[in-house]
Amino acid sequence: DGGITQSPKYLFRKEGQNVTLSCEQNLNHDAMYWYRQDPGQGLRLIYYSQIVNDFQKGDIAEGYSVSREKKESFPLTVTSAQKNPTAFYLCASSMMGADEQFFGPGTRLTVL
Amino acid sequence: RKEVEQDPGPFNVPEGATVAFNCTYSNSASQSFFWYRQDCRKEPKLLMSVYSSGNEDGRFTAQLNRASQYISLLIRDSKLSDSATYLCVVNNLEGNTPLVFGKGTRLSVIA
Repeated sequence: DGGITQSPKYLFRKEGQNVTLSCEQNLNHDAMYWYRQDPGQGLRLIYYSQIVNDFQKGDIAEGYSVSREKKESFPLTVTSAQKNPTAFYLCASSMMGADEQFFGPGTRLTVL
Repeated sequence: RKEVEQDPGPFNVPEGATVAFNCTYSNSASQSFFWYRQDCRKEPKLLMSVYSSGNEDGRFTAQLNRASQYISLLIRDSKLSDSATYLCVVNNLEGNTPLVFGKGTRLSVIA
């Protein structure tokens, strides 16, 4: 089945630790995105990548880092510099030139 | 300033009712419009794109009004399974965010 997978579904970390969230897609999509969603809030873009080895900051990139070494994979690292990392993190992808984005099931990160 | 505004609701409607949501957007140059559905604690899923001529998919109808900069979603014959949050999404032709998401309108269909 084609789709986007994110792992893990739930993640707990201690404050001050870096953590990496996985996102993989087998849809052959060129672009990939990371969002965070907080209760009662809209999705906010963290980073996106339109091509391998290239990525751009979104609205709230501070405290996060990404890499795009393969077309299928776009991992997100939440660093200790992120002031309020507890949130629902969503990865999405889209075809080149298309605006529609398709989402993975998300990772719910809780920092204790 | 990019903005997509939605009434957060909740809209509580009985089964079989017709319900409509509106969404306003601020960027008059936007070209792509979508409605997504998000169930509680799940990811958003694309419900339908919104075309200039409007479009219909079964019980769902989406309309675009460029002059007033709003899009609408009409749900006819509401089902219990329609209960969800509906997100209005608009493309952004400036800044560093390809799509702008509204905060969503919550619908609860009651038996």
